[in-house]
Amino acid sequence: DADVTQTPRNRITKTGKRIMLECSQTKGHDRMYWYRQDPGLGLRLIYYSFDVKDINKGEISDGYSVSRQAQAKFSLSLESAIPNQTALYFCATSDAGSSYEQYFGPGTRLTVT
Amino acid sequence: GESVGLHLPTLSVQEGDNSIINCAYSNSASDYFIWYKQESGKGPQFIIDIRSNMDKRQGQRVTVLLNKTVKHLSLQIAATQPGDSAVYFCAERYTPLVFGKGTRLSVIA
Repeated sequence: DADVTQTPRNRITKTGKRIMLECSQTKGHDRMYWYRQDPGLGLRLIYYSFDVKDINKGEISDGYSVSRQAQAKFSLSLESAIPNQTALYFCATSDAGSSYEQYFGPGTRLTVT
Repeated sequence: GESVGLHLPTLSVQEGDNSIINCAYSNSASDYFIWYKQESGKGPQFIIDIRSNMDKRQGQRVTVLLNKTVKHLSLQIAATQPGDSAVYFCAERYTPLVFGKGTRLSVIA
């Protein structure tokens, strides 16, 4: 079984809709991250959490919110989706002792029409 | 954070040849660098790291070279195989990591 899972894997939604992307991990890691990937722009950090009570904004947090429901779960919400949020979204985890070695989920492809 | 960039967005290599993927960084105080590989349809995967007190680090078929004088690092893949086709990212240690834009390596059979 995969260590980092994301649901859904693909989603098409309309402008203005609220959508939640979910991430679960079985690695026992404290640190979790949400990234967005666009062609030619690499990986950009949206939010990250170093433990259940810790939430931090990343480079591009506007238009997004997150919830760390448990050590193993970190969800990303788009309160009112817009077309330029169409992208590939990745969740990642890392151990606190080696936080630069991150383990990524398979990604969620989101299309906002 | 500081920018981390790659010299070329794409690289094509004949199967069996060696590949060299380059990365420049701008923060001379950076002390730790990481390389990730992203295969098509998958999330990035950690390959190898190097600390600034090293000039070279070797893994299985991969070697990282660090030149602090010109703020440049490279990832060398020996005897490139079709399975090496992917996008390669260098990342610079910050909390959290800052990723470069990536170089796409295509292996020609």
